[in-house]
Amino acid sequence: DAKTTQPNSMESNEEEPVHLPCNHSTISGTDYIHWYRQLPSQGPEYVIHGLTSNVNNRMASLAIAEDRKSSTLILHRATLRDAAVYYCILYAGGTSYGKLTFGQGTILTVHP
Amino acid sequence: ETGVTQSPTHLIKTRGQQVTLRCSSQSGHNTVSWYQQALGQGPQFIFQYYREEENGRGNFPPRFSGLQFPNYSSELNVNALELDDSALYLCASSLLAGGNEQFFGPGTRLTVL
Repeated sequence: DAKTTQPNSMESNEEEPVHLPCNHSTISGTDYIHWYRQLPSQGPEYVIHGLTSNVNNRMASLAIAEDRKSSTLILHRATLRDAAVYYCILYAGGTSYGKLTFGQGTILTVHP
Repeated sequence: ETGVTQSPTHLIKTRGQQVTLRCSSQSGHNTVSWYQQALGQGPQFIFQYYREEENGRGNFPPRFSGLQFPNYSSELNVNALELDDSALYLCASSLLAGGNEQFFGPGTRLTVL
């Protein structure tokens, strides 16, 4: 499985943007970049995914480097509810079974 | 639309016992995956079921087994429990076996004494 590298922790203030980086230098051409987050005492929650182009949804934006060896999850205005562990995952998708390989993730702390 | 539900919420067993955990997938989802999450770690993939067949397995011994029923609900069975099996067990459902988004339940906290 291709691996991802994320900072162990990051801090932000409420209502400020947050940029969560992820390195994935061994990504293959068919790997999708997925982000999930896990709030305290809950199961992981899907945030966003992309292949080559930048993506936006109601929760966040995903910026993917041109060489696809890194990506950044962007929370445009952090709220206290965004405090969670954020996981960057490479997912083969397609006809392969749905094995998500979670790493340690980034613990995001949001200060009021 | 009902989300993924799991039962029980918490469970305490002793070493050597057997346990069955249950999962009801989100409405319309035909694929269920199971994960084990030890304290302070990310979830680890156990296996996936698609249309009542095991459709992929992670690095877990055979004493971890599962079932999927015609209504797509699923069970995770663990035999001969060991202390290291203490963890949060998560179930996730998706529309397709290779579907992009997985919807997770809240998990079952298993403690093995």
